[in-house]
Amino acid sequence: GAGVSQSPSNKVTEKGKDVELRCDPISGHTALYWYRQSLGQGLEFLIYFQGNSAPDKSGLPSDRFSAERTGGSVSTLTIQRTQQEDSAVYLCASSFGPGQPGELFFGEGSRLTVL
Amino acid sequence: DQQVKQNSPSLSVQEGRISILNCDYTNSMFDYFLWYKKYPAEGPTFLISISSIKDKNEDGRFTVFLNKSAKHLSLHIVPSQPGDSAVYFCAASGSPGGSGYALNFGKGTSLLVTP
Repeated sequence: GAGVSQSPSNKVTEKGKDVELRCDPISGHTALYWYRQSLGQGLEFLIYFQGNSAPDKSGLPSDRFSAERTGGSVSTLTIQRTQQEDSAVYLCASSFGPGQPGELFFGEGSRLTVL
Repeated sequence: DQQVKQNSPSLSVQEGRISILNCDYTNSMFDYFLWYKKYPAEGPTFLISISSIKDKNEDGRFTVFLNKSAKHLSLHIVPSQPGDSAVYFCAASGSPGGSGYALNFGKGTSLLVTP
């Protein structure tokens, strides 16, 4: 499809396990973002990739969270030793990049439940 | 620290009437504002935006008003339709044009338009 694709759409895991969430941005978009939405909260910025520049990791809540973007396209968000408070919908978005209006195109999200 | 606030978690409006969704922000450096709409199990989609050099932007049934002195913006939907029922997120950016990563989101307002 032409939109942002995320997988898995749902993930249930046990506390302490590692999880990987994948994002395929829109072709041609150089900027990629990860946000998360916890229950009753707004969208919380996690990390931003722009081209080959070093990512802005300022939103990552702890060192258990990491993300990479390979070849300027697909991104993987990894959460190590998951905790119950990590339960949330993790949203990936892409855009044409800086200098463009801040319009993000979001995927449908990956719902993570940590038991 | 919530820099973008949507103080009404929910709003119910009759079909055909006006819906007014409000948003307040605290950071005077924000100069680009957006509204996103989110249906259940879908990612947010961009609706309308406004730059700080304007006080009004209109797109069909949707109009966004910005009051910089009050650090307040609002989204008007006229006339409201049942298909408008969704969660609406207000977002703000501190970068001219918005690089995207700096988007700060509110917690959202759930709009229900009743027939």
